[in-house]
Amino acid sequence: SAVISQKPSRDICQRGTSLTIQCQVDSQVTMMFWYRQQPGQSLTLIATANQGSEATYESGFVIDKFPISRPNLTFSTLTVSNMSPEDSSIYLCSVRRRAGLAGYEQYFGPGTRLTVT
Amino acid sequence: GIQVEQSPPDLILQEGANSTLRCNFSDSVNNLQWFHQNPWGQLINLFYIPSGTKQNGRLSATTVATERYSLLYISSSQTTDSGVYFCAPGGGNTPLVFGKGTRLSVIA
Repeated sequence: SAVISQKPSRDICQRGTSLTIQCQVDSQVTMMFWYRQQPGQSLTLIATANQGSEATYESGFVIDKFPISRPNLTFSTLTVSNMSPEDSSIYLCSVRRRAGLAGYEQYFGPGTRLTVT
Repeated sequence: GIQVEQSPPDLILQEGANSTLRCNFSDSVNNLQWFHQNPWGQLINLFYIPSGTKQNGRLSATTVATERYSLLYISSSQTTDSGVYFCAPGGGNTPLVFGKGTRLSVIA
């Protein structure tokens, strides 16, 4: 398994400002993932973050809006920039561990609940 | 990318009842997980089950990879089982793709 912590756990922010979310893992991992869960919705992948290279963003998400850092193998940050009320969501960090012969099992942090007013 | 369909979208059960949740997916996968998101938002890993059958207490899951579906069985449901159940398959080196979930309410 994996122990993942996120900071902050929740925040209320004003529109136009930015918030940086931190994710810490208890052991080294190659890939870290950032997901968003809008109210009442499922989880959507924002980007994949590898240590030492730029993050890979999914369709609909751009680096200017969601810059990601990955300075080492146990830590990553996601910034939500120039926020609007539509950015109100839970943001979750995730990592994976090898499982079985050829698969991976993913684990999720507790999430950061963001409200933009 | 992988398309995921979960059914039913909503389910209300009397405490003690049994239920089956279904997940259909569009492509071959080598990873499939079931999660429970409790009312406080925490995602709890239930099963890693790319194929076969597993059981954990009152819960069990079966994935038939060749037919691209997975089932989650909940027996003798309890109020603490309430929440949203997500199926999330993944293929190759790609991260998990989440279905829309089944929202379960267990009533005492």
